[in-house]
Amino acid sequence: AQRVTQPEKLLSVFKGAPVELKCNYSYSGSPELFWYVQYSRQRLQLLLRHISRESIKGFTADLNKGETSFHLKKPFAQEEDSAMYYCALSSGNTPLVFGKGTRLSVIA
Amino acid sequence: DVKVTQSSRYLVKRTGEKVFLECVQDMDHENMFWYRQDPGLGLRLIYFSYDVKMKEKGDIPEGYSVSREKKERFSLILESASTNQTSMYLCASSFLVAGEKLFFGSGTQLSVL
Repeated sequence: AQRVTQPEKLLSVFKGAPVELKCNYSYSGSPELFWYVQYSRQRLQLLLRHISRESIKGFTADLNKGETSFHLKKPFAQEEDSAMYYCALSSGNTPLVFGKGTRLSVIA
Repeated sequence: DVKVTQSSRYLVKRTGEKVFLECVQDMDHENMFWYRQDPGLGLRLIYFSYDVKMKEKGDIPEGYSVSREKKERFSLILESASTNQTSMYLCASSFLVAGEKLFFGSGTQLSVL
């Protein structure tokens, strides 16, 4: 069965420091990985997906099949990055499976 | 832009009541989903629907049912609400079941007393 693990419930960093939100998955096939974000009082929205290989709001994520990871990174954290982040996996013809989420707090 | 609208932002119900959570999307999406969001547990799929009148159980369907009579509307039903169903409920829609961006509603915070 597919599973997504986000080992950190809460991550606190100082403004300007690098950020890495960890995501590991278990799936034997070729998954599609996503990062979703929920800012305070806003709805959950897609941040980025691995097949797009794009950078959104300065965030990037690289799929590492050898380590079964899809960590989210940003070189310099901003206060507006404070939010709840969910890693999610899609496989075959099944709906998205989400991790338990990591709350990022950027301290001024 | 796609809009997914959930009818209530907050609901307070009593144990044993029948509860209806409504969700409407305006982009002609085939697929709709109900998740519940709990701190420390993330998002868990309750039910999804890939077509009108079609439904599939998700990971935690017990105590819930769904209805999809029209393409744009997907209802979540709690037949007899219990306190452990107090949660944030999120509706979502997409063109495909898998590998596709989900569009979420703003959520319904349900409290069962």
